[in-house]
Amino acid sequence: NAGVTQTPKFQVLKTGQSMTLQCAQDMNHNSMYWYRQDPGMGLRLIYYSASEGTTDKGEVPNGYNVSRLNKREFSLRLESAAPSQTSVYFCASSEGQTITYEQYFGPGTRLTVT
Amino acid sequence: QKEVEQNSGPLSVPEGAIASLNCTYSDRGSQSFFWYRQYSGKSPELIMSIYSNGDKEDGRFTAQLNKASQYVSLLIRDSQPSDSATYLCAVNKAAGNKLTFGGGTRVLVKP
Repeated sequence: NAGVTQTPKFQVLKTGQSMTLQCAQDMNHNSMYWYRQDPGMGLRLIYYSASEGTTDKGEVPNGYNVSRLNKREFSLRLESAAPSQTSVYFCASSEGQTITYEQYFGPGTRLTVT
Repeated sequence: QKEVEQNSGPLSVPEGAIASLNCTYSDRGSQSFFWYRQYSGKSPELIMSIYSNGDKEDGRFTAQLNKASQYVSLLIRDSQPSDSATYLCAVNKAAGNKLTFGGGTRVLVKP
């Protein structure tokens, strides 16, 4: 059981380039989330998917798009990267249909935009 | 006022002592409360969840919830150097399955 996996682990982009961050979970969870973590700002929700086929904006969605490809996979796309998107990105998942809402995190992607 | 507030620390604790971390939240309808531990350069790891008023113990960790006063705390007994990390408080708001995280408290356990 790998839990939540993310690829890549590290990425350096130039301003204006695009890329997709991949996330997959093998826990049969319904809900998946993308966060970014910046020093002094804590974890901030970018987008989430409460169930397969649905996506919703979080606190900081500008500059990002997401796709819930199937129940296992949830990708985050940066269409035109900006230095302000330099951050550590975490994917998380939760069972999502009970009140517990415990979320489990992947290892993260460290992104630098120059 | 932030939705979930924590003292950023660092909280310096001698080895073997009790570390006490506090978290306050603003949404009175919040129902689920979580503590995550995050080592430097790593992802958050769930260590405790609590849903009703009172104490919940798991090994050396005790979570305490007081919904009337809107705070949740974490006690770490017999603190070890391996407990040195940032501890994140997370709260589920009244509706939906999103969590709101506090900024975290950095804990340093000194041998």
